[in-house]
Amino acid sequence: GENVEQHPSTLSVQEGDSAVIKCTYSDSASNYFPWYKQELGKRPQLIIDIRSNVGEKKDQRIAVTLNKTAKHFSLHITETQPEDSAVYFCAAFINVNNNNDMRFGAGTRLTVKP
Amino acid sequence: DTEVTQTPKHLVMGMTNKKSLKCEQHMGHRAMYWYKQKAKKPPELMFVYSYEKLSINESVPSRFSPECPNSSLLNLHLHALQPEDSALYLCASSQVKVTGRTEAFFGQGTRLTVV
Repeated sequence: GENVEQHPSTLSVQEGDSAVIKCTYSDSASNYFPWYKQELGKRPQLIIDIRSNVGEKKDQRIAVTLNKTAKHFSLHITETQPEDSAVYFCAAFINVNNNNDMRFGAGTRLTVKP
Repeated sequence: DTEVTQTPKHLVMGMTNKKSLKCEQHMGHRAMYWYKQKAKKPPELMFVYSYEKLSINESVPSRFSPECPNSSLLNLHLHALQPEDSALYLCASSQVKVTGRTEAFFGQGTRLTVV
């Protein structure tokens, strides 16, 4: 199956600073890359996603970039706020012969200090 | 309705018990997933159903038995579990093909404790 690597495992920033989380994937057939935010005791919630035919996508303070050639994608959060503190997971999605497969990176624990 | 509903929310079971986890969605999604999540770890893929057929089994022990009786329901039957199987079990659903925006929606999970 797909192998997704995510860095860093922990990230601490000052409120207002930017945060960047990076992921790489192994299977060039992966074509959809969601990012999930998971707060303690809660389910993963999608915050942004990008498809393989797009290089960059932005939604307010959150942006994702994708480099298909290098097989890596990144999450950028600007003007961080304490409520951004959570665990963030990247994922890679592949569909082969109508069969879906979605694998997660190991996660990044983001702490935003007020 | 973008809801994936899992029941029960919490489950405590003995190692000789048989129990089932249930997952339901009414978004017309034809892909449904089971993930296992241990504390401070990512969701780990266990099973995927596409069009009600098992398409991925990540070498999960046979004490976990999935079932997809129809396009809205997904079950996970549990039997003779071990304490190390204690975890949060997450169900998710999505469209099968990535056309337009495809989002996997997660249920709130079942927190399982094996004693």
